[in-house]
Amino acid sequence: AIWMTQSPSLLSASTGDRVTISCRMSQGISSYLAWYQQKPGKAPELLIYAASTLQSGVPSRFSGSGSGTDFTLTISCLQSEDFATYYCQQYYSFPWTFGQGTKVEIK
Amino acid sequence: EVQLVQSGAEVKKPGESLKISCKGSGYSFTSYWIGWVRQMPGKGLEWMGIIYPGDSDTRYSPSFQGQVTISADKSISTAYLQWSSLKASDTAMYYCVRHLSGGLDYWGQGTLVTVSS
Repeated sequence: AIWMTQSPSLLSASTGDRVTISCRMSQGISSYLAWYQQKPGKAPELLIYAASTLQSGVPSRFSGSGSGTDFTLTISCLQSEDFATYYCQQYYSFPWTFGQGTKVEIK
Repeated sequence: EVQLVQSGAEVKKPGESLKISCKGSGYSFTSYWIGWVRQMPGKGLEWMGIIYPGDSDTRYSPSFQGQVTISADKSISTAYLQWSSLKASDTAMYYCVRHLSGGLDYWGQGTLVTVSS
């Protein structure tokens, strides 16, 4: 199985900040990586797939980069509605796996 | 409009069996993978397994292999997750998800399963 290390687990930030979340794989996965946002009491939502492709309807302040083993989710200008938990997920090979999650909280 | 609608919350006793469902609509059910994701209370997401309703090809996470069964009835566009003998540790929210080629693009609303004596 492919192991994922997502960091940080907790990120304190203010509205307007630029934030980055990292996801590192135990082996190369090309660009088969997705990012999700989950708000309390809600199902997760797909933000980015194929490492850098924005899902339809997702604001352009979200962006993804990376390939192989190292990936990054960037929120360029944090908005109040972006305070949530974010997960990366690899779909390169079964079993698919999720990162441990990063909670973005208000500083 | 694409929708995945899951069955309602369940309260069960340890040792009981359970089958929860996920009905897809608004798209070709047999052309997309349907998977299941577990979220234990206050915890992260865990990928359990996935099925391709077109040919019933099914893959499981080793963590869930033998513990649950994933199936699908393409005649009614419905996927299932079932347990033969529930444990207290199965208490969680379970989400069904759709996949084609880029991530899990649609999620069901979730089914809360509570196992308690």
